[in-house]
Amino acid sequence: KAGVTQTPRYLIKTRGQQVTLSCSPISGHRSVSWYQQTPGQGLQFLFEYFSETQRNKGNFPGRFSGRQFSNSRSEMNVSTLELGDSALYLCASSWGLAGFYNEQFFGPGTRLTVL
Amino acid sequence: SQELEQSPQSLIVQEGKNLTINCTSSKTLYGLYWYKQKYGEGLIFLMMLQKGGEEKSHEKITAKLDEKKQQSSLHITASQPSHAGIYLCGAGFSSGSARQLTFGSGTQLTVLP
Repeated sequence: KAGVTQTPRYLIKTRGQQVTLSCSPISGHRSVSWYQQTPGQGLQFLFEYFSETQRNKGNFPGRFSGRQFSNSRSEMNVSTLELGDSALYLCASSWGLAGFYNEQFFGPGTRLTVL
Repeated sequence: SQELEQSPQSLIVQEGKNLTINCTSSKTLYGLYWYKQKYGEGLIFLMMLQKGGEEKSHEKITAKLDEKKQQSSLHITASQPSHAGIYLCGAGFSSGSARQLTFGSGTQLTVLP
């Protein structure tokens, strides 16, 4: 089975721009979660989608949004980029809801740099 | 995350030595997950522990869950340079009616040849 894939792998944007990141989960997985990883804050939960519905959201401003399509692929969008949004964005997929004893598998991440 | 404390923060060992990494939760957890990460890359799933007393092994890595203490340990036997990386523990915590995985700050492991 192919693993979780994320595109693009690297992205450079300037402040004020917006960005869209894409994630394709493992075939058959219906849950997709997004995380932000920075040296200062570590790995932080952004949101989780399951069957096209947002099931849970972390403590991030409304500039961070996402969606999930009927094929379980997911996108996350960050609008009005700030320097502090520079981070590694990781997507993870699982068969069932995260946190309910389902193994969660991560993609390689998208490295976003905001200048 | 303050909900999950990992120790030590970093560890340098000589190849062939055994080592242990600990992960302690301040809240009731629903499952404990161990991952390994190479710098700047995605997380590699190692194992998931569901109930107290559970112990799992994968090659030379063994993890245990002590539910009463809300604590898990990851033990590597006869470490090799390939074990080097960042080890992260994650746990399922309640978030309203939902649950989410929260992660510790990681343990940076260096294995000297």
